[in-house]
Amino acid sequence: DSGVTQTPKHLITATGQRVTLRCSPRSGDLSVYWYQQSLDQGLQFLIQYYNGEERAKGNILERFSAQQFPDLHSELNLSSLELGDSALYFCASRTGGANTGELFFGEGSRLTVL
Amino acid sequence: AQTVTQSQPEMSVQEAETVTLSCTYDTSESDYYLFWYKQPPSRQMILVIRQEAYKQQNATENRFSVNFQKAAKSFSLKISDSQLGDAAMYFCAYRSQIYGGATNKLIFGTGTLLAVQP
Repeated sequence: DSGVTQTPKHLITATGQRVTLRCSPRSGDLSVYWYQQSLDQGLQFLIQYYNGEERAKGNILERFSAQQFPDLHSELNLSSLELGDSALYFCASRTGGANTGELFFGEGSRLTVL
Repeated sequence: AQTVTQSQPEMSVQEAETVTLSCTYDTSESDYYLFWYKQPPSRQMILVIRQEAYKQQNATENRFSVNFQKAAKSFSLKISDSQLGDAAMYFCAYRSQIYGGATNKLIFGTGTLLAVQP
């Protein structure tokens, strides 16, 4: 158990809909990262938050948005869903400052868009 | 920009044998971390081993060890005495050690799918 909690584990929805994925980082971790893993794209970095502020942005679509709340949990919002958005979405966290460098991953949220 | 390349999409090893997974990376930075993550069929991302670039000694974790060649920008993973539970997708990853900015994300290779034959 990595200590990172993601909900829901599985989600099936239709094209055009909107979903929210939730992530609770490990206790004390200030940084939250979101990654998308689809079959033909590998693990793609979407966005990073540090202590409530956006720190880095990757290949995140304009239809997607995220935020990190004062209690440090994070949400990834996916709207106007398309078939190609079907993927496994990972959240990962790490402490700020000096650390051993690795990210701790949740179990992922599997999104299926029909 | 940093890149990570895994040139072996699939590998196979006999149980109890040794296998080496290859990884190369490209960076202009001198301070960074390298990782191997394992993703079994459960899809959980599990850290296997880490290496800090400033350390010349190769990291070892039980049956897992790395061959880190900084000048060659190579970071291979050796699995000794392979077990059926080692069957998984293995990802090599890079992370800058520079504080702040977009360079702090993990950059992954495309993965190597390892099969372990009984």
